[in-house]
Amino acid sequence: GENVEQHPSTLSVQEGDSAVIKCTYSDSASNYFPWYKQELGKGPQLIIDIRSNVGEKKDQRIAVTLNKTAKHFSLHITETQPEDSAVYFCAASKGNTGTASKLTFGTGTRLQVTL
Amino acid sequence: DSGVTQTPKHLITATGQRVTLRCSPRSGDLSVYWYQQSLDQGLQFLIQYYNGEERAKGNILERFSAQQFPDLHSELNLSSLELGDSALYFCASSFGTGGDGELFFGEGSRLTVL
Repeated sequence: GENVEQHPSTLSVQEGDSAVIKCTYSDSASNYFPWYKQELGKGPQLIIDIRSNVGEKKDQRIAVTLNKTAKHFSLHITETQPEDSAVYFCAASKGNTGTASKLTFGTGTRLQVTL
Repeated sequence: DSGVTQTPKHLITATGQRVTLRCSPRSGDLSVYWYQQSLDQGLQFLIQYYNGEERAKGNILERFSAQQFPDLHSELNLSSLELGDSALYFCASSFGTGGDGELFFGEGSRLTVL
């Protein structure tokens, strides 16, 4: 089955700096790569996703890049703010292929934005 | 607020016992997923139901079982509990069946087995 590795496990940046979280996946058939943010005491929430027919996607201060050849994808957060502090999870799936397709999550990155 | 409701929020029980976790999906969503999150672990997929039928199975132990009822709410039953079953159990829902759309997560049920 799919295996998703995520690095780093913890990341501390100063407010205003950029943060980068990287993930690799094992199944070349995976075609959907979402990122979820989990704030303390809450469930994960989707912040951005990318599909395999796109190499990069941006949404304000957040961007995701995908390298299908190398089977890795990254989350970039620019101009970090204290409210960005949370645990971030990457995930991968084969999308809606007509059969059951489950999301496989990485182990998470705890991002701490310091003042 | 994701629209997914999980009860109870916290549960403390003893080894060997059985508990039931409940999930009400977002209005209109047909799929329900269960995930386990242990300390310093990612989200481990347990099982998915779509419109009452089991759709996908992950790393769910034989001591665990789930079902989705006609009103689409779901229950996760955990039996013969062990210390290692202590974790956060999340329910998520989505409209479709596949893994290419947003999952809406509840706030989780924290199970502590003593």
